[in-house]
Amino acid sequence: DQQVKQNSPSLSVQEGRISILNCDYTNSMFDYFLWYKKYPAEGPTFLISISSIKDKNEDGRFTVFLNKSAKHLSLHIVPSQPGDSAVYFCAAISNAGNNRKLIWGLGTSLAVNP
Amino acid sequence: NAGVTQTPKFRVLKTGQSMTLLCAQDMNHEYMYWYRQDPGMGLRLIHYSVGEGTTAKGEVPDGYNVSRLKKQNFLLGLESAAPSQTSVYFCASSSPRARQETQYFGPGTRLLVL
Repeated sequence: DQQVKQNSPSLSVQEGRISILNCDYTNSMFDYFLWYKKYPAEGPTFLISISSIKDKNEDGRFTVFLNKSAKHLSLHIVPSQPGDSAVYFCAAISNAGNNRKLIWGLGTSLAVNP
Repeated sequence: NAGVTQTPKFRVLKTGQSMTLLCAQDMNHEYMYWYRQDPGMGLRLIHYSVGEGTTAKGEVPDGYNVSRLKKQNFLLGLESAAPSQTSVYFCASSSPRARQETQYFGPGTRLLVL
């Protein structure tokens, strides 16, 4: 059972426009959410995160929004650049127990077209 | 700082052969992880370690063993490789004191089992 779901396997946007990547989760015990970016033949790299006590976190062109009642978060990239083309993973951490492992979504492949 | 490094980058094995993947980190992180990534499956945790001399099973531990004899190294062993273990393997490390609980990833090891 996938606890972190990224329902769009791929997304294509024009350079300069907004990219919106979505993520849904089922476990109400998740208290921290992270987005990672992955280029081909490289390991994932941390992009941005948000605590469950917040509803927005912004870092330059990247903003993550959290809607706890809907168990939904989204990553906004504005403006999108060709270098943003990568696979984006949503991940969550549970505050249940001592073991704070990351639970990963399957990823969304973003293509930003020039 | 090199961050997280993985050796080798690519390996071809025959069914039944054994091998060890080496992960090294120079960030003095307490936690280390081994993941595998398969098409359509996202990142799945194989084993992890919360400190030198300690290891624990993740989501898909069967067929793998690990050791953490030194804080900076985390070894993943395949005693008898099977074609189902063809995958890309990522090592990661993190610090429990990090504000964002970010995991830092290595570049990956591509393993093909024939």
